[in-house]
Amino acid sequence: EPEVTQTPSHQVTQMGQEVILRCVPISNHLYFYWYRQILGQKVEFLVSFYNNEISEKSEIFDDQFSVERPDGSNFTLKIRSTKLEDSAMYFCASSELTGTSGRVDEQFFGPGTRLTVL
Amino acid sequence: TQLLEQSPQFLSIQEGENLTVYCNSSSVFSSLQWYRQEPGEGPVLLVTVVTGGEVKKLKRLTFQFGDARKDSSLHITAAQPGDTGLYLCAANAGGTSYGKLTFGQGTILTVHP
Repeated sequence: EPEVTQTPSHQVTQMGQEVILRCVPISNHLYFYWYRQILGQKVEFLVSFYNNEISEKSEIFDDQFSVERPDGSNFTLKIRSTKLEDSAMYFCASSELTGTSGRVDEQFFGPGTRLTVL
Repeated sequence: TQLLEQSPQFLSIQEGENLTVYCNSSSVFSSLQWYRQEPGEGPVLLVTVVTGGEVKKLKRLTFQFGDARKDSSLHITAAQPGDTGLYLCAANAGGTSYGKLTFGQGTILTVHP
């Protein structure tokens, strides 16, 4: 069964360093997302991406964050200068359809990358 | 800001008991999804409900979307230890929101043998 994959599973970095989290969405999906989950808190939306551009982003997704689809299979989240509060699980998700057309948006999540900022 | 409130936050029951988890909001959603999440893993999609009043069944799990599409419930019949986990509801507002899911805080279910 097709699945979303993410690498690495765990990333430890020093505050102020840049990190790139990688995701391979399900191959026929066109919409891609990043979410994060701080330990003990809700899963929070960061950004959605379609047709090589950001569709929507949350207040969390400030100038330190960027996303890219560098090739036909990968989808990346870059944090330019990590802060302690960026420590969280980061989940990539993808979907085939979106709710904007009134059609169902079923998002499938990857296993996550645990980011620890020291 | 759209909020999803899940209740109860914790549920500890014996094997064989029935249980219901609720997901409520003051907002109307175009669709609502239920996920299950294991520690250290990503949410796994269980079901999506779209139509007000819709009922879907997945083995011993019954999902219902409220008539007004503001709330949903998950009912488990004859719970088993394998049902233990974190259950999350998540909803899509639709409209100009390009697939952004709003999540509830989750219900941690523990089923004791």
